[in-house]
Amino acid sequence: GAVVSQHPSRVICKSGTSVKIECRSLDFQATTMFWYRQFPKQSLMLMATSNEGSKATYEQGVEKDKFLINHASLTLSTLTVTSAHPEDSSFYICSASTRYEQYFGPGTRLTVT
Amino acid sequence: GNSVTQMEGPVTLSEEAFLTINCTYTATGYPSLFWYVQYPGEGLQLLLKATKADDKGSNKGFEATYRKETTSFHLEKGSVQVSDSAVYFCALSDEGGTSYGKLTFGQGTILTVHP
Repeated sequence: GAVVSQHPSRVICKSGTSVKIECRSLDFQATTMFWYRQFPKQSLMLMATSNEGSKATYEQGVEKDKFLINHASLTLSTLTVTSAHPEDSSFYICSASTRYEQYFGPGTRLTVT
Repeated sequence: GNSVTQMEGPVTLSEEAFLTINCTYTATGYPSLFWYVQYPGEGLQLLLKATKADDKGSNKGFEATYRKETTSFHLEKGSVQVSDSAVYFCALSDEGGTSYGKLTFGQGTILTVHP
């Protein structure tokens, strides 16, 4: 089946620094990629939708200047959390879609100290 | 807006027990409904889906029926195995029968099966 990878799987950063998370579709080209955030014991919340070569579409309440999304190619999207603060600590999950199905990455655990 | 509510977990069962995880939804129109499973350390995987009322999705012994009258999509399995231990997510999409678009997820239910 289709595989989506995320890197890193875990990251710890200091408050005020920025951190970049990569999402790659390994064996297919994705028309669209999505970024989700998951809080403990809560559902996945969609943060933004990105298409290759276009600006990302952010969900209501998500700060686009804080969560920068770059969709450089049909197999790579990156999420940069800028000036991270402890409240940004969370589990971030990406997914990549073909025309028919959405495939999910394993997630990245971000801890901001 | 759309929303999905799952029964709270965690759920702990013995091997070969019967499993039900409840899922109800609120949506405008006629959404498609999905169950995803997340095994430890892996990404979410589509387990089964149903695209219209009274459809039954099934896979790996799991089943769920799209009940429009009760706005429900409960997941069932007659005899669980230790290997079924995972987190299960109910989800919906109002984008035409596939899972490629925006998904609204329930909060997830942790299932642990003991030998």
